[in-house]
Amino acid sequence: EIVLTQSPGTLSLSPGERATLFCRASQSVSDNYLAWYQQKPGQAPRLLIYGASTRATGLPDRFSGSGSGTDFTLTISRLEPGDFAVYYCQQYGSSPNTFGQGTKLEIK
Amino acid sequence: QVQLQESGPRLVRPSETLSLTCTLSGDSMKSYYWSWVRQSPGKGLEWIGYVYFSGNTNYNPSLRSRVTISVDTSKNQFSLQLTSVTAADTATYYCARNGQQWLVFLDHWGQGIPVTVSS
Repeated sequence: EIVLTQSPGTLSLSPGERATLFCRASQSVSDNYLAWYQQKPGQAPRLLIYGASTRATGLPDRFSGSGSGTDFTLTISRLEPGDFAVYYCQQYGSSPNTFGQGTKLEIK
Repeated sequence: QVQLQESGPRLVRPSETLSLTCTLSGDSMKSYYWSWVRQSPGKGLEWIGYVYFSGNTNYNPSLRSRVTISVDTSKNQFSLQLTSVTAADTATYYCARNGQQWLVFLDHWGQGIPVTVSS
């Protein structure tokens, strides 16, 4: 199965700053079937991005996804207080689909 | 809007069967695939499997021998059964909707139900 490694493990930034989160796959992700989720404490994950770069319905354009093959990036251009959470990547191009271990985005 | 709600026992004895139900409101089960995902501190997020409204299923190979997912469209529900549970099956279990046919990106999630396996 494909192993996804997210970096950094923790990212400390201030509101208004730009966040860049990375997801590296152990082998190429078929058709760039890569999704990103946000999870806040006590809540279910929330879909942000699918197909590596397509924003989920209603997601502000401050969030963007990019990448292909084995290397993917989630960028949040101007952090707002509600953006501080844990972010997961997931590949769904190969069975079984798998998730990364998460990046915690915390307020500096 | 689409809402999913998990229900079932929160405590299961080792070697017994974990049984959970997901009830859908605000949408029809038809034309969508429906997944179960679990999350534990030790293993993170793990996809368990999905069911189509027709009853077709696909399971994670790591759990396939112990998992059954079924659907009851008349009740707008789908269910998870996991047999021969151990402490390693302790997790929060989520039901979710596949975002595009069988592709397992998940665009709607239930709130999750914590399940503990313990005697």
